[in-house]
Amino acid sequence: AQKVTQAQTEISVVEKEDVTLDCVYETRDTTYYLFWYKQPPSGELVFLIRRNSFDEQNEISGRYSWNFQKSTSSFNFTITASQVVDSAVYFCALSLIQGAQKLVFGQGTRLTINP
Amino acid sequence: NAGVTQTPKFRVLKTGQSMTLLCAQDMNHEYMYWYRQDPGMGLRLIHYSVGEGTTAKGEVPDGYNVSRLKKQNFLLGLESAAPSQTSVYFCASSYSIREGNQPQHFGDGTRLSIL
Repeated sequence: AQKVTQAQTEISVVEKEDVTLDCVYETRDTTYYLFWYKQPPSGELVFLIRRNSFDEQNEISGRYSWNFQKSTSSFNFTITASQVVDSAVYFCALSLIQGAQKLVFGQGTRLTINP
Repeated sequence: NAGVTQTPKFRVLKTGQSMTLLCAQDMNHEYMYWYRQDPGMGLRLIHYSVGEGTTAKGEVPDGYNVSRLKKQNFLLGLESAAPSQTSVYFCASSYSIREGNQPQHFGDGTRLSIL
């Protein structure tokens, strides 16, 4: 069975600070996907990124960056120069590459960016 | 392009009542899913479908039934609602592996309260 743990329940920072959201996962499978989703106060789920287990390269997209380390089973998400609009609940998730792609979500981290 | 549409967006039920949540997608996706989101627990998979006429249980299927009579629709039924089923329900859809294995598209959610 797969498991995703986001140990940080809530994080609060001041605007323009950098913030890292932690994600640790467990799976016995060697081929899997890792995801990050954003859930703003309006409630919808916004897809941010998908990485497969074969690709450990870090990725940067604007102020967002992701650090994937198979050695520690972690897929951490960093927001640089945070903005108030980044306030949301962020979910890390995992699915196997084969089969029905069922997503296993972490508990979520509520991020509050204060002006 | 509507994507994934969930009906209704809000509903209040009394214990013991029944209802059906409708999910419709216009992307010709093969796979469809129902998740529930409870505070502090992230999203959990209720049931899923890998094609028209097929359904399977997810992590938390008890108390729910589903049907996929048409490829574009995935219905979630509560036969006898219980307060423990108060939650936000999300539907999602995606292509199958052979079609390109893209990330799941989520609907905006249905907020369901059982009194």
